[in-house]
Amino acid sequence: GAGVSQSPRYKVAKRGQDVALRCDPISGHVSLFWYQQALGQGPEFLTYFQNEAQLDKSGLPSDRFFAERPEGSVSTLKIQRTQQEDSAVYLCASSLNRGAGANVLTFGAGSRLTVL
Amino acid sequence: RKEVEQDPGPFNVPEGATVAFNCTYSNSASQSFFWYRQDCRKEPKLLMSVYSSGNEDGRFTAQLNRASQYISLLIRDSKLSDSATYLCVVSPIGGSYIPTFGRGTSLIVHP
Repeated sequence: GAGVSQSPRYKVAKRGQDVALRCDPISGHVSLFWYQQALGQGPEFLTYFQNEAQLDKSGLPSDRFFAERPEGSVSTLKIQRTQQEDSAVYLCASSLNRGAGANVLTFGAGSRLTVL
Repeated sequence: RKEVEQDPGPFNVPEGATVAFNCTYSNSASQSFFWYRQDCRKEPKLLMSVYSSGNEDGRFTAQLNRASQYISLLIRDSKLSDSATYLCVVSPIGGSYIPTFGRGTSLIVHP
């Protein structure tokens, strides 16, 4: 597609519910990143894929967070048993290049998660 | 200490003013540097890369000081439309090359 597409744009979940956030990167982009952005803060790294391989998941805050990119294109970020502190905007970004070249990022509009 | 630090501001300036932001980074092995712009409730968008020799794009000038480990962004002749949050981004050499963002500096340009 022309840009990075994320869905849903807005999600309200009750505490304890599971949520799934989808990212459709720019076609042909090798690298895909997930970031979490809390209000008034910068984006915080969650996880990184190079094609279908998850090369870095060091930013995932707990084992309730899981991400996949099974065919090297669309990615899903899943949060199990959501907590109020999970409320944030989840940003997906893709980059044409890999490794050291994967530093010019194109972001999607984000998925705003509110946990009640 | 965070890897990338920025003064959150806000910087409140009149139209036509010149304003400068600094960003410090802790990893001396950092390789690539960028400024992104983020409008309220929107996604970050690349504003400009920062090269060792410094670079200019219209009213915007970015500079890198490796010795002191900071980058700067200078905006001349500020416009109302420049009001946004400016995010500093640093990518390391080696490892998994993860771009790290600062918390952003808020700029408000008023008439």
